[in-house]
Amino acid sequence: KNEVEQSPQNLTAQEGEFITINCSYSVGISALHWLQQHPGGGIVSLFMLSSGKKKHGRLIATINIQEKHSSLHITASHPRDSAVYICAVLSYGNKLVFGAGTILRVKS
Amino acid sequence: DAGVIQSPRHEVTEMGQEVTLRCKPISGHNSLFWYRQTMMRGLELLIYFNNNVPIDDSGMPEDRFSAKMPNASFSTLKIQPSEPRDSAVYFCASTPGPGEQYFGPGTRLTVT
Repeated sequence: KNEVEQSPQNLTAQEGEFITINCSYSVGISALHWLQQHPGGGIVSLFMLSSGKKKHGRLIATINIQEKHSSLHITASHPRDSAVYICAVLSYGNKLVFGAGTILRVKS
Repeated sequence: DAGVIQSPRHEVTEMGQEVTLRCKPISGHNSLFWYRQTMMRGLELLIYFNNNVPIDDSGMPEDRFSAKMPNASFSTLKIQPSEPRDSAVYFCASTPGPGEQYFGPGTRLTVT
């Protein structure tokens, strides 16, 4: 079993829909990252969180430490949100462990 | 700031050749990471340095892979000899501490 599991693996949404991507992990962590990778390949860090909730524009990330679960929400989705979203947990010692990623396609 | 700089961006080489990938971290960042991304295995940590010292190289696949960080502004990842299964995108990332990591654009390596 992978230490970091994401669901769904693939997601197709219509423009304007509310999107949720889930991440569960089985190891002790100091923080959790959500990353975005566009078709061009570059990786950008969206959020780093260790408790509660963070919001940036149309993106919201939440984490429940007790349940070892995090969600990434996209409100009013847009085709430019199409990308791979990767959950990564920061285990002790500054080491990131990655989920397999969720491929999101938003259709107009 | 220019961000994390990697070179080359693309590398095509023949099996058996030596490959050297280069990374310049963001100035002032004291941790540097090398990652590999493949379709089959996703993103994997190969090695990371803290203050130029290798801390965890448990992800380095085998002895054909080696990494160095001779100073705070430069790191190399070397594969010798290269094999087709090494074909992947190699990312370098840096961070000022245990927090957000800043990724370079990656080097796409193809070994034929």
